[in-house]
Amino acid sequence: QKEVEQNSGPLSVPEGAIASLNCTYSDRGSQSFFWYRQYSGKSPELIMSIYSNGDKEDGRFTAQLNKASQYVSLLIRDSQPSDSATYLCAVRDSSASKIIFGSGTRLSIRP
Amino acid sequence: EPEVTQTPSHQVTQMGQEVILRCVPISNHLYFYWYRQILGQKVEFLVSFYNNEISEKSEIFDDQFSVERPDGSNFTLKIRSTKLEDSAMYFCASSGDLSGNTEAFFGQGTRLTVV
Repeated sequence: QKEVEQNSGPLSVPEGAIASLNCTYSDRGSQSFFWYRQYSGKSPELIMSIYSNGDKEDGRFTAQLNKASQYVSLLIRDSQPSDSATYLCAVRDSSASKIIFGSGTRLSIRP
Repeated sequence: EPEVTQTPSHQVTQMGQEVILRCVPISNHLYFYWYRQILGQKVEFLVSFYNNEISEKSEIFDDQFSVERPDGSNFTLKIRSTKLEDSAMYFCASSGDLSGNTEAFFGQGTRLTVV
């Protein structure tokens, strides 16, 4: 059974600080990795994709990938109250036919 | 900006009735998916569809479920005889253009309530 694991949280971070979200996956053949943000009652919204080992930055977001450790992370700099949401780690499995989601980490930015 | 659209946004149905959830994927995408999310739980894969056939389906996607691409734009999920436990948000997603982009984009979802 291919799995994507995340801490459920809640993770509470003060406004302006860095939020760090982590994820591990079991399918060693996976090649595509994604972070989605989901507000309560809404659909997942893609915020980052990463395919190669290392860091990828997009504005306040940085995704990090380490395939040897089967580990993906997301850093959010200068956290804002609007960043309060559930963050879903997602992995396209080695068959490439589906994207598997973790259970999500609930992030709360306190003013 | 292109987006995935789903209709209806909310569907209430009686147990045992058939429902059809509709989706219009992003026009140049080649792969289509259905996911569901029971309240408070994770986003679960149901089925993927490529080149007019199912690529993969989960154990949730049993004989009461079917998918169809009846024309060049719509992608539907049919639940033949709904059960109470089918109550969930159902999300359609699409991905994969000819440039090899694999990012999946989700529609706004259909909230299905079985009573």
